[in-house]
Formats: sequence, C-alpha cells, structure tokens
Amino acid sequence: ETGVTQSPTHLIKTRGQQVTLRCSSQSGHNTVSWYQQALGQGPQFIFQYYREEENGRGNFPPRFSGLQFPNYSSELNVNALELDDSALYLCASSSGQKPYEQYFGPGTRLTVT
Amino acid sequence: AQSVAQPEDQVNVAEGNPLTVKCTYSVSGNPYLFWYVQYPNRGLQFLLKYITGDNLVKGSYGFEAEFNKSQTSFHLKKPSALVSDSALYFCAVRDLLRRRSGGFKTIFGAGTRLFVKA
Repeated sequence: ETGVTQSPTHLIKTRGQQVTLRCSSQSGHNTVSWYQQALGQGPQFIFQYYREEENGRGNFPPRFSGLQFPNYSSELNVNALELDDSALYLCASSSGQKPYEQYFGPGTRLTVT
Repeated sequence: AQSVAQPEDQVNVAEGNPLTVKCTYSVSGNPYLFWYVQYPNRGLQFLLKYITGDNLVKGSYGFEAEFNKSQTSFHLKKPSALVSDSALYFCAVRDLLRRRSGGFKTIFGAGTRLFVKA
C-alpha cells in the first residue's frame, strides 16, 4: 500500500450534476496530481497541485478544477458532468525530494448516467 | 513531447514461461521510465523505475526491465510467469512541468493486458 487514500470508492451521478472527489497524500508529500483513466485506456494527466497552487494542467476543460489544503490533501471538482466523464479518477502524491516518484491511490470510480 | 508506446494490446503466455511486455519511448533529455501494474478495479501499483545507472532494473514481484538507449526501448520481463501476474501493465515516462516547482507529470502508454494461462 502506498499510503495515498481516496474517497469515495464509487460514485454514481447524473449528467449535469457536480462532483467532488477527495485524496489524502502520503505523509511528507507536498504535491498531488490527478489523473483520469477511461475504460480501456491509460491514465491521462488532469492537473497537479503543489503547496496549494496549481502547478500544471493537462488538456481538460475548466469545469475540472481542484484544491489543495494546508495538510496537502486535495479535491478534484467536476462541474456540469458529461457521460464521457465516467472513468476511474486516480490521485498521486510525490515529495520535493523525489518529484519523479509518484505514489498512486486506489482511485474513485465515477459513473455518469 | 515525451511519449511511450506499447505496441501490444495483449500478451499471452503459459505459466512458467518467460514473459516480455514491450515498451518504446520518445523523450528529449534523459528518460525517467516506469512500469506500473493494475489489477481489476484497483489503482496503479509501482513495479520498477529507470532513472540512471545499470540498464537492467529489478523491481517488485520478480519483474525486471531492460533499458536500451539505442533502440529507445524499456521492455518489462519476468523469467517465469505466474497466473497471478495476469493484469494490465502500463509503461510510463515522467515529463517535466515547467512551473515554479519543476514538478513532474506522468505520461502513460495505452497499456498491455497480460494473460498467463495455467
């Protein structure tokens, strides 16, 4: 186990709704990254937070937003949900000492109907 | 831009036989390469990484990978496959985020499904 936790495990939402996913990073890690893994595909980078500020963003629309808190936990918010948002959402934490080593959580499975 | 390619959607091997899961990469600068495994309805588990040093990298669960700079490959190998190795395998490369912290994001291949038959 990596020490990275995510909640909830599963979630079902309706198109147009909003959702918040949560991630607690491994102890001592100040950077959190979020990834979307659609069925049958590799994970795609959404964005990264470092010390409570966005540190980089992938090719996702603004309705995907995030937060990082002083304890380095993080939230991923998705507004105006679309059917294509159905996926496994993974968060990964890393430290300043070894930024290239990311530890992944178990993921949140989001289903949009 | 950094990228990795996994040319095989699926690899089938008999238990006890050696296995190879292929990966090629395209990077500018020194590559930071990784292999992850994913079991059904689970997150990603780290197997091994290449940063620098020996071209043969040993990782978890008896897996190893060979870094080949001339062929830009980083194939995952195991001398003797187990049925429990059946899973989805991802090759990945780190890409630098050119922001204030110099952080990294991970770019994943499409994945290769490994089936080990008893």
